[in-house]
Amino acid sequence: SQTIHQWPATLVQPVGSPLSLECTVEGTSNPNLYWYRQAAGRGLQLLFYSVGIGQISSEVPQNLSASRPQDRQFILSSKKLLLSDSGFYLCAWSMGQGHEQFFGPGTRLTVL
Amino acid sequence: AQSVAQPEDQVNVAEGNPLTVKCTYSVSGNPYLFWYVQYPNRGLQFLLKYITGDNLVKGSYGFEAEFNKSQTSFHLKKPSALVSDSALYFCAVRDMWGGADGLTFGKGTHLIIQP
Repeated sequence: SQTIHQWPATLVQPVGSPLSLECTVEGTSNPNLYWYRQAAGRGLQLLFYSVGIGQISSEVPQNLSASRPQDRQFILSSKKLLLSDSGFYLCAWSMGQGHEQFFGPGTRLTVL
Repeated sequence: AQSVAQPEDQVNVAEGNPLTVKCTYSVSGNPYLFWYVQYPNRGLQFLLKYITGDNLVKGSYGFEAEFNKSQTSFHLKKPSALVSDSALYFCAVRDMWGGADGLTFGKGTHLIIQP
């Protein structure tokens, strides 16, 4: 069966510090991968998605970037965090366009 | 562009009663529609989806949803609510024919089942 992991589970970072959140998927190959942000327990916003290694599409211009160095690894990064980057970050995978997405446990990021 | 509306921030239902969580959508083509549930500080769990076929879709934990094309709705239902159904529910849509592969989510509806 497929599983999706995210770490860390929680993170507290000062403004201006870098960020690296990691997501890995097990039990499938060539998944579509996604990063979402959820603010205040509501309303998920799609940040990035990837259909293959090195292929990243950005939905919202912002302070964040994403990379996919391996087939089942998806990384969310920032060079300098802003207060507005605080939120709950969710990684998800799917078998392809139109298929349901399966979500990881999330990372709660607090920027102080 | 695609969008989803969940008109109720919160729905309160007595345990054992039927429940409905409302969702309406807007897409330029045919929709893929999904329902997810989220428990506090957890990721989203997939409940059910509509792609094509029978308008009544059955999903996990006894939930079902009815696709209504004329009303552009996809309401989530359950015949008999459990206290454990209390959670945050999200409706999501993807336009079959274009746009990003990611889903567009509604703002969520808090479902509270009272014992």
